[in-house]
Amino acid sequence: AAGVIQSPRHLIKEKRETATLKCYPIPRHDTVYWYQQGPGQDPQFLISFYEKMQSDKGSIPDRFSAQQFSDYHSELNMSSLELGDSALYFCASGGDTDTQYFGPGTRLTVL
Amino acid sequence: GQNIDQPTEMTATEGAIVQINCTYQTSGFNGLFWYQQHAGEAPTFLSYNVLDGLEEKGRFSSFLSRSKGYSYLLLKELQMKDSASYLCAVIVITTSGTYKYIFGTGTRLKVLA
Repeated sequence: AAGVIQSPRHLIKEKRETATLKCYPIPRHDTVYWYQQGPGQDPQFLISFYEKMQSDKGSIPDRFSAQQFSDYHSELNMSSLELGDSALYFCASGGDTDTQYFGPGTRLTVL
Repeated sequence: GQNIDQPTEMTATEGAIVQINCTYQTSGFNGLFWYQQHAGEAPTFLSYNVLDGLEEKGRFSSFLSRSKGYSYLLLKELQMKDSASYLCAVIVITTSGTYKYIFGTGTRLKVLA
């Protein structure tokens, strides 16, 4: 079965640079969630989209923005990167049920 | 506020049974999930409880008591590959009518031979 696709899987950036993470949800899923997970921490909810509209907002910094496109893929844009932004970024997709299915994650390292 | 508590770490022996507890204080409760997460990998769905009682799925079972704000994940016939973090997550309905996941800090389970 098709799963959630995230790209890139690994990303290395310098401080103050920008990064764009992409998420392709499971086909026919209309909801996308973004999470940030630091080492040894639980996933922190950033933002979610339902039918291309922002549905909820969590602890997403103002330097970050995201959107969901007409094909339901989503992009998380991160600007003015800081060392503390180094983390695993997970995208999860949801459909008719409340279950979220997580992608493999993007490991961002900010040097 | 919204709060979920789990033990930080647990250790058990291969072949044994282990119970991982989760207590929560949330408003707008709409269900509880358990996820398994191996280090550096994505959380994978294990179970979903919305009504009180026990849900069994193979070696894994999950129990919910909404009145007590309590759930547990029961793992039987432990295998080495069960060494992972187990995340308890509650889904709540926000005041704006949207759904939000709240994750616990996770329980790191070590299975010893």
